[in-house]
Amino acid sequence: DIQMTQSPSTLSASVGDRVTITCRASHSISRWLAWYQQKPGKAPKLLIYDASSLEGGVPSRFSGSGSGTEFTLTISSLQPDDFATYYCQQYNSYLTWTFGQGTKVEIK
Amino acid sequence: EVQLLESGGGLVQPGGSLRLSCAASGFTYSSYAMSWVRQAPGRGLEWVSAVSGSGDDTYYADSVKGRFTISRDNSKNTLYLQMNSLRAEDTAVYSCAKSRAVADAFDVWGQGTMVTVSS
Repeated sequence: DIQMTQSPSTLSASVGDRVTITCRASHSISRWLAWYQQKPGKAPKLLIYDASSLEGGVPSRFSGSGSGTEFTLTISSLQPDDFATYYCQQYNSYLTWTFGQGTKVEIK
Repeated sequence: EVQLLESGGGLVQPGGSLRLSCAASGFTYSSYAMSWVRQAPGRGLEWVSAVSGSGDDTYYADSVKGRFTISRDNSKNTLYLQMNSLRAEDTAVYSCAKSRAVADAFDVWGQGTMVTVSS
């Protein structure tokens, strides 16, 4: 099974900061990686798919990069609405999906 | 509007059974694979099971294989999860999710239904 490891687990940042979250896969997953944002009590929201493709309606301050085993989600200028938990997810392993453990972005 | 609405959660004793439903609307339901994802209280997301658009192919996480059964009724635009031999560690919010394509990210999620396994 492919394991997904995110870092850091918690991140403290201020409005306007550039924020980067890393996700590492235990085996190569090509570019089959997604990023989600989840707020308390709400369903996850798809931000990025195929490692770097922005889902429709998602602000351009969100971007994704990487391939193989290492991936990053970058928020170019953190906004108040962005304080949430972020999850990566692989969908390379044939018809199984694995999430990272999550990264909580908190107000500094 | 694209929408997924889960139902069927509740309190069940260890070893018991429960059937969850997910009603879909606003898209061509039979064209998309669907999944169940769960989130235990205070924990992260865990993929549970998926089914192809036709319903012919099903997939399970090791943690539920042999206990849970996913199915769909394309005439009713509804997804199901039959959960048997429930354990305390199955306690979670269960959400249904639509895949963008066959093996792809999840672009639409329901709000979830809570399942509590406790005596």
